[in-house]
Amino acid sequence: EDQVTQSPEALRLQEGESSSLNCSYTVSGLRGLFWYRQDPGKGPEFLFTLYSAGEEKEKERLKATLTKKESFLHITAPKPEDSATYLCAVLETSGSRLTFGEGTQLTVNP
Amino acid sequence: EPEVTQTPSHQVTQMGQEVILRCVPISNHLYFYWYRQILGQKVEFLVSFYNNEISEKSEIFDDQFSVERPDGSNFTLKIRSTKLEDSAMYFCASTGSGELFFGEGSRLTVL
Repeated sequence: EDQVTQSPEALRLQEGESSSLNCSYTVSGLRGLFWYRQDPGKGPEFLFTLYSAGEEKEKERLKATLTKKESFLHITAPKPEDSATYLCAVLETSGSRLTFGEGTQLTVNP
Repeated sequence: EPEVTQTPSHQVTQMGQEVILRCVPISNHLYFYWYRQILGQKVEFLVSFYNNEISEKSEIFDDQFSVERPDGSNFTLKIRSTKLEDSAMYFCASTGSGELFFGEGSRLTVL
């Protein structure tokens, strides 16, 4: 069974304090790994898809990387508006479902 | 920017009643999904739909659930006889080429 584990569960940063979120996964075959941002009471907002080990993608202060066992979401010089829950999800080669992790709740204090 | 729209945003119903949640996927997308998120828990897959039929469903998606694409734009989730444990946020999603885009969700409260 696919497993996606995110750490830490919660992270508090000061504005400008860079850090990384981790997503480790176990799948029989990875078609893609997805990162989403979710604000309270809202739907997941698409950030990135990574398809193969070694791939990296960037968007503003966020950078996602992928290895064969895990993915990192690096946040550089975060701002309070980056506060949200960040979700990781995997799509297996056989099947059409995304399997989500529990998420990391990020709080950035001014 | 195209988006997935869902209605209603919030529905309160009595246990045993039927509920229909509606979604308008992004117009050129061909794959449609329903996910749910119980308060404080992770997002869970319910069902995927392609070419007017279910392509995959989870263990959660039992006989009380059904999906339909009644016309060229809407995609619906019907819960036939709601239970207390059906209370959750229900998210519709669609994709055309890999990236899955979600709607803002319909909050279902079963009393």
